[in-house]
Amino acid sequence: EAGVAQSPRYKIIEKRQSVAFWCNPISGHATLYWYQQILGQGPKLLIQFQNNGVVDDSQLPKDRFSAERLKGVDSTLKIQPAKLEDSAVYLCASSLDMRGNQPQHFGDGTRLSIL
Amino acid sequence: QKEVEQDPGPLSVPEGAIVSLNCTYSNSAFQYFMWYRQYSRKGPELLMYTYSSGNKEDGRFTAQVDKSSKYISLFIRDSQPSDSATYLCAMGSYSGGGADGLTFGKGTHLIIQP
Repeated sequence: EAGVAQSPRYKIIEKRQSVAFWCNPISGHATLYWYQQILGQGPKLLIQFQNNGVVDDSQLPKDRFSAERLKGVDSTLKIQPAKLEDSAVYLCASSLDMRGNQPQHFGDGTRLSIL
Repeated sequence: QKEVEQDPGPLSVPEGAIVSLNCTYSNSAFQYFMWYRQYSRKGPELLMYTYSSGNKEDGRFTAQVDKSSKYISLFIRDSQPSDSATYLCAMGSYSGGGADGLTFGKGTHLIIQP
């Protein structure tokens, strides 16, 4: 079974520029999550999708971050404009559905550096 | 007070030792608990998940949950250098639509000395 795929692996941009990350979840997984992991911290949930609908985006800084999962499969996360504090690893995870006994499987993330 | 507290370490032990990793939490709504292992520049890898108080064993790993004390542990027996990584505890709860996203601890950096 192929895992969660993310691209790019690394991205370096200057502050105030925009950036987008892509995630392809495990085949058949209805629930998709984006997490932000700042160096030395655990991942923090940004947004949760069930199929193509948003379940929870309460921790997403909506003035600069946006995410979509139009066809209920792949997802993109965008930052515009980027700030220095956005330097982090952005992790995508997926689970079969929203039952608690379905574990979340993570991709290797996109490492974002803001200059 | 953060919802999930985890000592970041580093924790350094000799090969073959029993390792004990712990997390405490404050939110009594958490109902399921997971341990992830994260190697440098890789995503978290699920090790264990439990839903009730008590112990769950899988090979060299044992997860322990005490909901009354809001305390979870991961024990690693016969530790190997390949176990050197960051260990993240994670917890989740249910809302009306199903399971919420996970709340993570900071992670404990574990070093197994050969």
